Amino acid sequence: GQQVMQIPQYQHVQEGEDFTTYCNSSTTLSNIQWYKQRPGGHPVFLIQLVKSGEVKKQKRLTFQFGEAKKNSSLHITATQTTDVGTYFCAGLTGNQFYFGTGTSLTVIP
Amino acid sequence: DTAVSQTPKYLVTQMGNDKSIKCEQNLGHDTMYWYKQDSKKFLKIMFSYNNKELIINETVPNRFSPKSPDKAHLNLHINSLELGDSAVYFCASSHRDRVTDTQYFGPGTRLTVL
Repeated sequence: GQQVMQIPQYQHVQEGEDFTTYCNSSTTLSNIQWYKQRPGGHPVFLIQLVKSGEVKKQKRLTFQFGEAKKNSSLHITATQTTDVGTYFCAGLTGNQFYFGTGTSLTVIP
Repeated sequence: DTAVSQTPKYLVTQMGNDKSIKCEQNLGHDTMYWYKQDSKKFLKIMFSYNNKELIINETVPNRFSPKSPDKAHLNLHINSLELGDSAVYFCASSHRDRVTDTQYFGPGTRLTVL
């Protein structure tokens, strides 16, 4: 069945270091969304990518959608303590979204 | 003014009991979802309802039954609770006919089965 994997599962970084999480799907996706879940909170929508090879930026966050529309990445430049949380990708296949396994980011001040 | 609300926030109960979790959204969305998040943070979709019609039902035990009295509500009823049902359950809603289809999540219900 459909699987969406993310690596790494956990990442610890020093404040100011960069961070990247990768999302890989076993099938081609119509689009991909990214969500952030703060500790103790609920997932919150960050962005959606639709086109092959698309790149979008939100301040220190850069999102990419692969050419084959089967993978995506989220890169954070110069992490801050407010970036702490779990980042999920969610890929749309047919009429169903499949959430990735998530990457939990810890930022050490 | 909460967009997606769930009650209760915490639920502690004994094995074998039956319990319900309520969800309401005031966003005018036409699709609502239930997700289960386990201790490893994996988010698994359980159900979604579009205009009162079930359109997704993953491999979820039939002890779980979603009930949607109207477009703004999707409740989750669980029969004969088991230890493995302990998790955080999130309700979400979205507008499926829009390109973005952003999902808005409720605050979650932490279920503990003893």
